[in-house]
Amino acid sequence: EDQVTQSPEALRLQEGESSSLNCSYTVSGLRGLFWYRQDPGKGPEFLFTLYSAGEEKEKERLKATLTKKESFLHITAPKPEDSATYLCAVQAYYGGATNKLIFGTGTLLAVQP
Amino acid sequence: DAGVIQSPRHEVTEMGQEVTLRCKPISGHNSLFWYRQTMMRGLELLIYFNNNVPIDDSGMPEDRFSAKMPNASFSTLKIQPSEPRDSAVYFCASSYGQGADEQFFGPGTRLTVL
Repeated sequence: EDQVTQSPEALRLQEGESSSLNCSYTVSGLRGLFWYRQDPGKGPEFLFTLYSAGEEKEKERLKATLTKKESFLHITAPKPEDSATYLCAVQAYYGGATNKLIFGTGTLLAVQP
Repeated sequence: DAGVIQSPRHEVTEMGQEVTLRCKPISGHNSLFWYRQTMMRGLELLIYFNNNVPIDDSGMPEDRFSAKMPNASFSTLKIQPSEPRDSAVYFCASSYGQGADEQFFGPGTRLTVL
């Protein structure tokens, strides 16, 4: 069964304290791995898509990497405005139904000033 | 672009009542998704449509749930009769294409069934 596991469930950092969030996955055939950010009371907001092992993408203080079994979201010198829940999702090959995303339960990040 | 539009934003109803959630996808997008988010189970796909046709409804919990997409700019998710365990935030999302394309989410409808 396709599965996505995120760790830790919650992370508290001091402003400027870099860290990484983990997303491990089990999927029959990976089409893409997605990272989303979700603020309280809002819908998830797209951050990155990674397609193959070894791929990396960056946006401001965030950098996403991908291996064959997991993805990391590295946060460098975080600021309080980076506080949010970060969701990881995988899209697998399901024959004709290729758009389905399977989400992890997220990591709640709190960055204190 | 206004993004994905959902209504209502909040719905409080009593057990046994019919609930209808509405979604307008981003213009030009041909895939539409309905998700449910709870603390216990996270974000779960209920059903998705491509070109107004339901493709995968394996996440629909039971016959009390139904979804329609009569045209490219409108979809509904109906719960009849509603139960307290249906309380959750329901999100609609849309995307363009059949590949690994990003999905754009609406603001969600928070449903409370008393």
